[in-house]
Amino acid sequence: GIQVEQSPPDLILQEGANSTLRCNFSDSVNNLQWFHQNPWGQLINLFYIPSGTKQNGRLSATTVATERYSLLYISSSQTTDSGVYFCAVASSGSARQLTFGSGTQLTVLP
Amino acid sequence: DGGITQSPKYLFRKEGQNVTLSCEQNLNHDAMYWYRQDPGQGLRLIYYSQIVNDFQKGDIAEGYSVSREKKESFPLTVTSAQKNPTAFYLCASSQNRAHEQYFGPGTRLTVT
Repeated sequence: GIQVEQSPPDLILQEGANSTLRCNFSDSVNNLQWFHQNPWGQLINLFYIPSGTKQNGRLSATTVATERYSLLYISSSQTTDSGVYFCAVASSGSARQLTFGSGTQLTVLP
Repeated sequence: DGGITQSPKYLFRKEGQNVTLSCEQNLNHDAMYWYRQDPGQGLRLIYYSQIVNDFQKGDIAEGYSVSREKKESFPLTVTSAQKNPTAFYLCASSQNRAHEQYFGPGTRLTVT
């Protein structure tokens, strides 16, 4: 099946700093989602972005499907941004089955 | 409010007992999913259902069973055959023709 790799596995930032999280995948996809998992375990949808670029406030994401990677940008980070960020993809042959990466643990220090 | 609800939030069971986790959605979504998350890891797909009365196994279906008698409901039973049932279980749903999945708050199951 499709492989998903996220980097870095851990990231510690000072409040106000910017960061870039990366997601590499091994096959063509028709679904790519970024999630934020808060300390209570809730998965919050950030972006549905199988291709192109989107922005939502301080967060933006870019997926370059032809090169099989996606980037999540967090600008002016806040302590509430802390948590685990997951990338999940569905390959073109199995549109409904999301495969998750192992996540990036982000800690934003005050 | 539209959304996905899971109950209970925490569940404790003795080894050898079957336990059923509830998942309900009022988003009018056709597809529903169950995932398992172990500490420090990503989510893995247990079962999914695209329409009522139909479901397929995911990557780790052994020791689990599901039913889909109503569009709104997709309960998951963790049977005594599941060797390591202690985990965080998340339910999700999506529209039939769109792929974006939305998640419920999860159920933390502890089996001792």
